[in-house]
Amino acid sequence: KAGVTQTPRYLIKTRGQQVTLSCSPISGHRSVSWYQQTPGQGLQFLFEYFSETQRNKGNFPGRFSGRQFSNSRSEMNVSTLELGDSALYLCASSLGAGEPRKTQYFGPGTRLLVL
Amino acid sequence: AQTVTQSQPEMSVQEAETVTLSCTYDTSESDYYLFWYKQPPSRQMILVIRQEAYKQQNATENRFSVNFQKAAKSFSLKISDSQLGDAAMYFCAYRRGETSGSRLTFGEGTQLTVNP
Repeated sequence: KAGVTQTPRYLIKTRGQQVTLSCSPISGHRSVSWYQQTPGQGLQFLFEYFSETQRNKGNFPGRFSGRQFSNSRSEMNVSTLELGDSALYLCASSLGAGEPRKTQYFGPGTRLLVL
Repeated sequence: AQTVTQSQPEMSVQEAETVTLSCTYDTSESDYYLFWYKQPPSRQMILVIRQEAYKQQNATENRFSVNFQKAAKSFSLKISDSQLGDAAMYFCAYRRGETSGSRLTFGEGTQLTVNP
């Protein structure tokens, strides 16, 4: 099976712009979670989607949003970018239900640089 | 809220030797899962090992094993016969039980260096 894929792998944006990141989960996985990784804050949970519904949300401002499509692919959007949004954004997928160990598998990440 | 603490920012080990990485967590839940993930320089997060809290037996995966002490809320990772490819950042992660979604809470990470 193909792993989790994320596009694009690298992005450079300027303050005030918006950005959309994409994540395609492992085939058959219905849950997609997003994490932000920075040197200062470490790995922080953004949100989780399951069957097109947001199931969990982390402590991030409303500028961060996401959605999930019927094929389980997910996008996250950051509007009005700030310098502090520079980070590695990781997507993880899991079966989401019925798997006793609920393991998440991660994609390679999208590195976002805001100038 | 659950918290995960890794008190060793950096560790080093000689090739072929054994090293133990520490992790403690705080939770009031009785049903949860614990994981160790490895993040090499490529930044790809790779699952190393997982442990269900309801299982008393410590999980093992080849050269990797855990020491799960539920009462002490401790979850350490032992790497035996260390290899150069084991060099990476290691993260301990916590997940609540079955009905709580897939949200992971991570520790700060331990940077492991393997010396030839």
